Amino acid sequence: AQSVTQLGSHVSVSEGALVLLRCNYSSSVPPYLFWYVQYPNQGLQLLLKYTTGATLVKGINGFEAEFKKSETSFHLTKPSAHMSDAAEYFCAVSEGAGGSYIPTFGRGTSLIVHP
Amino acid sequence: GAVVSQHPSRVICKSGTSVKIECRSLDFQATTMFWYRQFPKKSLMLMATSNEGSKATYEQGVEKDKFLINHASLTLSTLTVTSAHPEDSSFYICSARMGFYGYTFGSGTRLTVV
Repeated sequence: AQSVTQLGSHVSVSEGALVLLRCNYSSSVPPYLFWYVQYPNQGLQLLLKYTTGATLVKGINGFEAEFKKSETSFHLTKPSAHMSDAAEYFCAVSEGAGGSYIPTFGRGTSLIVHP
Repeated sequence: GAVVSQHPSRVICKSGTSVKIECRSLDFQATTMFWYRQFPKKSLMLMATSNEGSKATYEQGVEKDKFLINHASLTLSTLTVTSAHPEDSSFYICSARMGFYGYTFGSGTRLTVV
């Protein structure tokens, strides 16, 4: 069984500050991991994904995430927050071979960016 | 890139009526589509998996007679909320699988039942 825990329902940062959104997962097989962003009344847009290979994954809009197997984590970071980054962020896990591949989503973290 | 178009984006209907939501894959064929429901400040809840040419697979607790899913072609899946009630008001999002690892999402439909 797979599950995702996103620590903190809200994260507030100042514009220009580091963004860190935390995600921990559990999976019985090697996971595929995703981060999605959702703007108000919109669907989800893929920021980045980890499947295999390099554990540091770069995505769109300057975001990146690092897969740490020993910590079962896939935290999302961005060096400098922009006002336009304010949105809801979802971490998701999908089990690989032998699993259903349908992603399970975390409860989401709302990123608030102050001027 | 692969795009999923979802319509309508917003709909208001009277209690007891039915509402149909369409999800189209615009530049690829989607043999499998997914329907999610999102409550305010909550994550996405998978309602059902829609397979082209066969019956949808519903998640536990989802009423298949209330949420009718049809996937008659490789580019179109529809969700019909039958005899809608105010508690059905929610944000519904469809998603299509692209290849092995990827999923693309529609822009969502805000359903309000009055």
